[in-house]
Amino acid sequence: GESVGLHLPTLSVQEGDNSIINCAYSNSASDYFIWYKQESGKGPQFIIDIRSNMDKRQGQRVTVLLNKTVKHLSLQIAATQPGDSAVYFCAENGMDSSYKLIFGSGTRLLVRP
Amino acid sequence: DAGVIQSPRHEVTEMGQEVTLRCKPISGHDYLFWYRQTMMRGLELLIYFNNNVPIDDSGMPEDRFSAKMPNASFSTLKIQPSEPRDSAVYFCASSLQGLRTEAFFGQGTRLTVV
Repeated sequence: GESVGLHLPTLSVQEGDNSIINCAYSNSASDYFIWYKQESGKGPQFIIDIRSNMDKRQGQRVTVLLNKTVKHLSLQIAATQPGDSAVYFCAENGMDSSYKLIFGSGTRLLVRP
Repeated sequence: DAGVIQSPRHEVTEMGQEVTLRCKPISGHDYLFWYRQTMMRGLELLIYFNNNVPIDDSGMPEDRFSAKMPNASFSTLKIQPSEPRDSAVYFCASSLQGLRTEAFFGQGTRLTVV
């Protein structure tokens, strides 16, 4: 977990507030997107995914929004908790037809008590 | 199930030495992935297997890297000879249904080559 980079964009939120983490993707042909959470010292953990035939998908306390027009993806976390503090990665299909995922550089979420 | 199990958690080796990283995927998962995570390049897929067969190794950086999956419950990633630029965290992950679905990651192996 510590090796994700010292200069990640950071979002700091108050406990209980909602968090919105944004991701711009590059491949207009991408039809699958996924969000992972990585806590310090641990492997990435799946949060939610969405296919391009949807604009919105909801999970437990999380919502992913997809705007294909501007190639933008966002992850909304409701009532953010200290345990949500982590680095969040979005990933999209690669540019080729292999369906391999290309991960973004991540956003660090810090939750203030 | 205990999840994806990787060993060792930490490895420090001298340049030129052979390094072997090990992975036990979740039982019943047909797909196994090896990823590398660095500050500079983020999380990169190195290779993945389906039913023990390597499907795509285009992410393997050089011939010094090799991966095997002799059976459904074990895989190795080998670097020979190792170089300082191989220092990274290496993750193994497994999934039921391939690339476009939830993958379960292990805790990773932090490799330091000095």
